[in-house]
Amino acid sequence: DVKVTQSSRYLVKRTGEKVFLECVQDMDHENMFWYRQDPGLGLRLIYFSYDVKMKEKGDIPEGYSVSREKKERFSLILESASTNQTSMYLCASRSGGETYEQYFGPGTRLTVT
Amino acid sequence: KNEVEQSPQNLTAQEGEFITINCSYSVGISALHWLQQHPGGGIVSLFMLSSGKKKHGRLIATINIQEKHSSLHITASHPRDSAVYICAVLPNTGNQFYFGTGTSLTVIP
Repeated sequence: DVKVTQSSRYLVKRTGEKVFLECVQDMDHENMFWYRQDPGLGLRLIYFSYDVKMKEKGDIPEGYSVSREKKERFSLILESASTNQTSMYLCASRSGGETYEQYFGPGTRLTVT
Repeated sequence: KNEVEQSPQNLTAQEGEFITINCSYSVGISALHWLQQHPGGGIVSLFMLSSGKKKHGRLIATINIQEKHSSLHITASHPRDSAVYICAVLPNTGNQFYFGTGTSLTVIP
């Protein structure tokens, strides 16, 4: 069974803290994605990676960075968390072929106080 | 500006009713993805379409490429179908999906 896991379901952090969100997939997928989901806005792409050590900015990369040192693992980093980064964060992965189907993790609900 | 529009935003139905959720988009696409999200956050894939029609159990998805429109139908709806349904498109020219804001469905027993 296809599996994408995220390190935490719920996280509460203080303003200014450095936050790490981890995502692991077991499908040997080339592509991995980090989204945030906010009411009324849908899912918005923060960053994606199409290979180890490769990354591309999505639509809303400001305030975030990513790391992909191994194929199965894609980390999202909030260098200095702010209250406007309170959101649901979803990781997804997809193979490099033309199947296109994305598989999502369970999400991390991050609250920054 | 969202390139993917879903309607309706919210939908309440009685158990057993036939339900239709619509998705319109503005760009040429390689694929369209219908997703389901239950309370608590997890998103699961329902269908991936590039043409025609697909059916899985009580769910049917159709796409009209010329009209840039897709519909998701649920026959004989059930309270367990209550969820947010999300449409996402993969443009011909890109590598990322663009998502609609979702349709929140509530099926009342």
